[in-house]
Amino acid sequence: DAGITQSPRHKVTETGTPVTLRCHQTENHRYMYWYRQDPGHGLRLIHYSYGVKDTDKGEVSDGYSVSRSKTEDFLLTLESATSSQTSVYFCAISGTGKLESPLHFGNGTRLTVT
Amino acid sequence: AQSVTQLGSHVSVSEGALVLLRCNYSSSVPPYLFWYVQYPNQGLQLLLKYTSAATLVKGINGFEAEFKKSETSFHLTKPSAHMSDAAEYFCAVSEDTGRRALTFGSGTRLQVQP
Repeated sequence: DAGITQSPRHKVTETGTPVTLRCHQTENHRYMYWYRQDPGHGLRLIHYSYGVKDTDKGEVSDGYSVSRSKTEDFLLTLESATSSQTSVYFCAISGTGKLESPLHFGNGTRLTVT
Repeated sequence: AQSVTQLGSHVSVSEGALVLLRCNYSSSVPPYLFWYVQYPNQGLQLLLKYTSAATLVKGINGFEAEFKKSETSFHLTKPSAHMSDAAEYFCAVSEDTGRRALTFGSGTRLQVQP
């Protein structure tokens, strides 16, 4: 299994509070991704990174920001959590950047916003 | 832009019966296609991938998928279902963009009846 650790695994927070999720990889892969999983929607891309300090938006980036100061860490921040951000968040990595390369996923963070 | 459509959000089969999970894709360029499986409270695990080397692709756990360009399909099959196959399955297509992300279908939950 790819060395991907997401933390925390579960979190409950209140509306309006900031939340940061962490993804840590030990594979030295260049590309990292944050997806959210919601019933009926599959996985949707929030943000991605193609190198240290190189990040860009995905389809559902509103209300989220990311940072990547080291190759191994990719942080996802909910600036002011809302109930619509209750979801399961997955981090993924890819090393080659080739179209035929699969993504490898962490085990997810289940976030509940009350 | 690439996209995938999974027909049937829930599929139920009897143990020992054929499993058929449907995926159709839309792509303006030759696609790279993937099937992932997700067991409860886990991340996504790669089952198999199509990268144009062969139209019939064999994956883990006895699954296989056939790429049919004329039908724009990449259906997942297994000759004989096992109880342990109960999970959610996602079809995905590689994006033909610099971000090297995957676009996912909405998923199909497979239930296996004893």
